[in-house]
Amino acid sequence: DAGVIQSPRHEVTEMGQEVTLRCKPISGHDYLFWYRQTMMRGLELLIYFNNNVPIDDSGMPEDRFSAKMPNASFSTLKIQPSEPRDSAVYFCASSYDRDQETQYFGPGTRLLVL
Amino acid sequence: GENVEQHPSTLSVQEGDSAVIKCTYSDSASNYFPWYKQELGKGPQLIIDIRSNVGEKKDQRIAVTLNKTAKHFSLHITETQPEDSAVYFCAISGGSNYKLTFGKGTLLTVNP
Repeated sequence: DAGVIQSPRHEVTEMGQEVTLRCKPISGHDYLFWYRQTMMRGLELLIYFNNNVPIDDSGMPEDRFSAKMPNASFSTLKIQPSEPRDSAVYFCASSYDRDQETQYFGPGTRLLVL
Repeated sequence: GENVEQHPSTLSVQEGDSAVIKCTYSDSASNYFPWYKQELGKGPQLIIDIRSNVGEKKDQRIAVTLNKTAKHFSLHITETQPEDSAVYFCAISGGSNYKLTFGKGTLLTVNP
């Protein structure tokens, strides 16, 4: 298996622009997680899905952030409008229900908002 | 909510020495305790985990110990090698909600 796939790997944009991050989970996995990693705050869970349904979005910082999972093999995290404080590495992870909490992370998207 | 403290934040050892990283948590309902290794430019990768019904688990040079009474668990790496250099994260989970809360990480440097 190719593992969790994220695109783009790097994104540089200007403040106010819309940013869309993409994730393809491992085939057959039931859960998908979006995390943000910064030096100051470490790894933070933003939102997670089970069978394409958002279960907990309490970590989403504000209304500028939205996430969707239209099918079992694709998810997006959108920031609109982006701000410099959104600069971070965004990770997607997936897990298989039988393994319970074992999560497999993608390589991340490094976002820089100027 | 769940909270986890990880120490030390940085650790430097000589090749062949042992390294120990410790995490403490506050929620007694936590029952799953994984450790992740993150190399530069990559996502975290699970290296070992332990559940609350077990006190110790070992996999070659790495081991995890859990003390539920004291609410702490530790990662032990023996015979360290330069390729062990990375950031290590502990995490906790409280059961069926599948949410992991991560520690702030430990930068381990193994000097050849």
